[in-house]
This record gives sequence, structure tokens and C-alpha cells, in this order.
Amino acid sequence: SQQGEEDPQALSIQEGENATMNCSYKTSINNLQWYRQNSGRGLVHLILIRSNEREKHSGRLRVTLDTSKKSSSLLITASRAADTASYFCVPMDSNYQLIWGAGTKLIIKP
Amino acid sequence: DVKVTQSSRYLVKRTGEKVFLECVQDMDHENMFWYRQDPGLGLRLIYFSYDVKMKEKGDIPEGYSVSREKKERFSLILESASTNQTSMYLCASTPGGVDTQYFGPGTRLTVL
Repeated sequence: SQQGEEDPQALSIQEGENATMNCSYKTSINNLQWYRQNSGRGLVHLILIRSNEREKHSGRLRVTLDTSKKSSSLLITASRAADTASYFCVPMDSNYQLIWGAGTKLIIKP
Repeated sequence: DVKVTQSSRYLVKRTGEKVFLECVQDMDHENMFWYRQDPGLGLRLIYFSYDVKMKEKGDIPEGYSVSREKKERFSLILESASTNQTSMYLCASTPGGVDTQYFGPGTRLTVL
């Protein structure tokens, strides 16, 4: 399977703490995208990092990419209750197909 | 803002019924996609379309067909619904040359 694997599968932290989610993949990629899904806003694109980039920031989000290890991480700083959601690491392979895993369930406790 | 709408949020059908799921996007996107999402499996691509009247099979097309008669509308058809097609169905669109996808709210289909 070329499915990406997110780690951990579930994460529960206190509001204000940082949350780190990791993923690994098996194929060569054009880019890697992170999406968020919650019941309120559905599935939403967060950030895209290209294969020649190593780090990217967007607001409280920081994404890293290590193509030699075929891995990526998403850091959410100063978490808020509204960050409670499932997060998907989605590599885009050389055929421009998105490879979806099962996601990480993040719960932010007040 | 890109808007992708799906015809129903919840749908209950009986085994053997023909089911139509409609998706409409208002941003003149070339590419449209249908996925299903099941617990523990992530999203799986059913069909996609790069242009009007064009369609390509995704990873799990069996039991499904699609129609794209107009650029803004992409329909998923279950010819004869079965219980194993109970799932969340998500539609997405993207402009040509852009890799990020814009998703609709999803249709939760239950087949009894």
C-alpha cells in the first residue's frame, strides 16, 4: 500500500500546549499537503509543502518535510479548542495522485 | 471563497435503489473528484474528471458511475445500492494546475 501513515493515531492535549503530528510515506512525491477535518467546517486544506522545501509556516502551523526519510511533521503551537479535529497528511505522488491515510485525531482539552 | 456544495447531507436508501449524489462548484474548476471515507481507511478515490464529459476511474470504481455534463456539476451514481456502499461521500474540485483540493460538506449515505 502507498498509504501514508500518521502517528499518533490519536492525541489529546491541554489547551495552550503544542501539538505535533507525524507521518511517513512510501513513494516519491511532488508535494505533501496537510488537511483538517471537523464537523463544523468539513475537510479543509491547511498547507502544502513542495518536495524541494524543508519547512513551511502558516500562522500557528509549522510543517517540515524530510524527503530522505520520507516523513513529515505538523506542529500546531498554542493549541485552541477550535483545533480539535482530524488531521491528514496527504502526499501527492509522481502521478499527481493524492495518497490519503486514516489521519490523526487531535483533541484539545479546555 | 470557493464553494463546493453537495445535494444532501444525509441520505437513507434501500438495497437495490438507484442513487444520485450531486456536486456543484461555483469557481469554474476544471477538475472534480468523488471520494468515499470510511472509519480507519481515510479517503478513497472513486472517480475523477478533468473536463466536461471526461471521466477517469479512481481506486475503487466498482459499483459506481459518474456523469459530468456541465463543468460545474459532477454526479456520482450508484446503479444498484448495496449495504457495503454505506459511507460518507465527499466531492472535491480544483482548478487546472493547482494541487490543493476544495471539498464539499459530504453526504452521509446509509443503505438499508
